[in-house]
Formats: sequence, structure tokens, C-alpha cells
Amino acid sequence: EVQLVESGGGLVKPGGSLRLSCAASGFTFSSYSMNWVRQAPGKGLEWVSSISSSSSYIYYADSVKGRFTISRDNAKNSLYLQMNSLRAEDTAVYYCARVPYDIPRGYFDYWGQGTLVTVSS
Amino acid sequence: EIVMTQSPATLSVSPGERATLSCRASQSVSSNLAWYQQKPGQAPRLLIYGASTRATGIPARFSGSGSGTEFTLTISSLQSEDFAVYYCQQYNNWPPGTFGGGTKVEIK
Repeated sequence: EVQLVESGGGLVKPGGSLRLSCAASGFTFSSYSMNWVRQAPGKGLEWVSSISSSSSYIYYADSVKGRFTISRDNAKNSLYLQMNSLRAEDTAVYYCARVPYDIPRGYFDYWGQGTLVTVSS
Repeated sequence: EIVMTQSPATLSVSPGERATLSCRASQSVSSNLAWYQQKPGQAPRLLIYGASTRATGIPARFSGSGSGTEFTLTISSLQSEDFAVYYCQQYNNWPPGTFGGGTKVEIK
């Protein structure tokens, strides 16, 4: 059974940093592209970042470019999102989501349960 | 950036009735369009990809159609568990993978 479990969310002050993790199991992690998608409270879904299976291709939404860094460790079956210079508008539930092939563009067939990031003083 | 527009924002339907949700792209996305269902407090769930292919385990009452810029998600006979928010997402032009604003299907 495919499982994606996010962790690392919490309360952080504006300008602060946070690192999210996503632990994957039930599939060959190194064969799939992975993404982060976020959802602000009461709002819709926003794609944040994607990374190909071998980390060769990485993309970011304009809203986070230069502040967030996506990475993965295929040996640990884990996906990460390093978030720096956080702003109030980054407050959201962050989901990791799998694309069912090894290029970092596509639809998301499996999602984690999400982790809440709150940016507030 | 491709803008995805969903309509209506809210759809009030009685159980057993048919629901038709629309999604429009600002430019052609071919058939690279997915639909998701999200219930309160839960992660989104993939329903449809490739505009018309049901994901694994999705009941046949869900169907998708369209190509280019106009897409439709139809729920043939609404069940109680179908009341939720539905999102479309294009993955033809990347980045970004843009989502529509969502359609809330509520009980009439």
C-alpha cells in the first residue's frame, strides 16, 4: 500500500525557516517524481514544487522561488522541503504528492495527509 | 501561466440526482486534465486523469469528458459520500501545474 507521511510543520515567525519531510513507503520511491502542494486555510490547492526521480529536474512556483528548496533522498525514501524567509501568506497545509511516472509534471495519484505550517508572530 | 476556471463555485444537488461540473482552461491543455475530490479535513483524492480515465477504485458514476479548453466532470447519481469539493488541474504546461478554484457540491 502506498503511503506518504508528512512531518515538520508547526508555528514559525515571519522570516523564519522550517524543513518539511515526507516519508514514502509501499512503492519504489526512486522511480517516481514527487511534488509539494499547499492549501491555505479555507482556500484552494496551489502547486509549490516538483522534483524528478533522480533530482535532475526541479521546478518551483513563482511564489516560493528563491525561498524554498525541494530535495529528496532515494536511499531513505524521503522527500524534503526547506522553507526559508517564511511569510504569513505561506501559512497552509502542505501535502506531498506522487506523480505516477519519473518526469516531474503530471497528475497526482497519491497524497499524504498533510502537515500544517503557520507563519505568525 | 494557464488559468483554470471552475463553475459553478457551489452546486446544490439532491441525492440521486446528476451533477455536472465545468472546468475551463485559458488555453489548450489537450487532454492533460485531472479531477480531484476533497472532503473536509482530508487530502485530495484523484478521480480522473487524461480528462476521461477513472483512477483505480473510482466508481463508474464518475465520468470525465472534454479536451482542449473545456472539460466536464459528471456524477451520474449523487451518493451521500460524494458531497465534497472538486478541483480540476492541468498538467500540459509545466510549471506550474495549475488547479482550478474548486466546485463545492452540497446537499440541496
